[in-house]
Amino acid sequence: GENVEQHPSTLSVQEGDSAVIKCTYSDSASNYFPWYKQELGKRPQLIIDIRSNVGEKKDQRIAVTLNKTAKHFSLHITETQPEDSAVYFCAASRSNSGYALNFGKGTSLLVTP
Amino acid sequence: KAGVTQTPRYLIKTRGQQVTLSCSPISGHRSVSWYQQTPGQGLQFLFEYFSETQRNKGNFPGRFSGRQFSNSRSEMNVSTLELGDSALYLCASSPDRVLEQYFGPGTRLTVT
Repeated sequence: GENVEQHPSTLSVQEGDSAVIKCTYSDSASNYFPWYKQELGKRPQLIIDIRSNVGEKKDQRIAVTLNKTAKHFSLHITETQPEDSAVYFCAASRSNSGYALNFGKGTSLLVTP
Repeated sequence: KAGVTQTPRYLIKTRGQQVTLSCSPISGHRSVSWYQQTPGQGLQFLFEYFSETQRNKGNFPGRFSGRQFSNSRSEMNVSTLELGDSALYLCASSPDRVLEQYFGPGTRLTVT
């Protein structure tokens, strides 16, 4: 089955700096790659996603890049703010076989003022 | 629209017992997926239901089962509970032909 690896497991940055989280996947048939943010005690929230026919997608301070050949994708957060502190999860799935997300183990991001 | 709701929010059970968790998807969403979240294993896919049929299944033992009703509400059942079943159980719903999944708040299950 699909195996998603996520790095780093923890990341600490200063407010205003950029943060980058990287994921690799094993199933070349995966074609949907969402990113979720989970604050302490809360539900995961979808923050951005990308399909395999797109190389990059941006939404304000957040961007995701995908390299299908290398089977890796990354989350970029610019101008980080303390409220960006949370655990971020990447995931991969085959959209043509229903909704079964395979998640990475998560990255705990801490943004210090 | 109201979000995904799950009941109960917290549950304490004894090893060997069985438990049923409930999930109500966002109105109009026909797909419901279940995930187990633990500190050690992270988020793991259990199963997905669409129009009352199990469409996908993760790598969990047969003690974990689920079903979906005609109104898209879903339940999952865990029989013969083990200590390792202690986890946050999350459900997520999706509309037709849309890949985004929206999570509920989860049910925190503690097995003693």
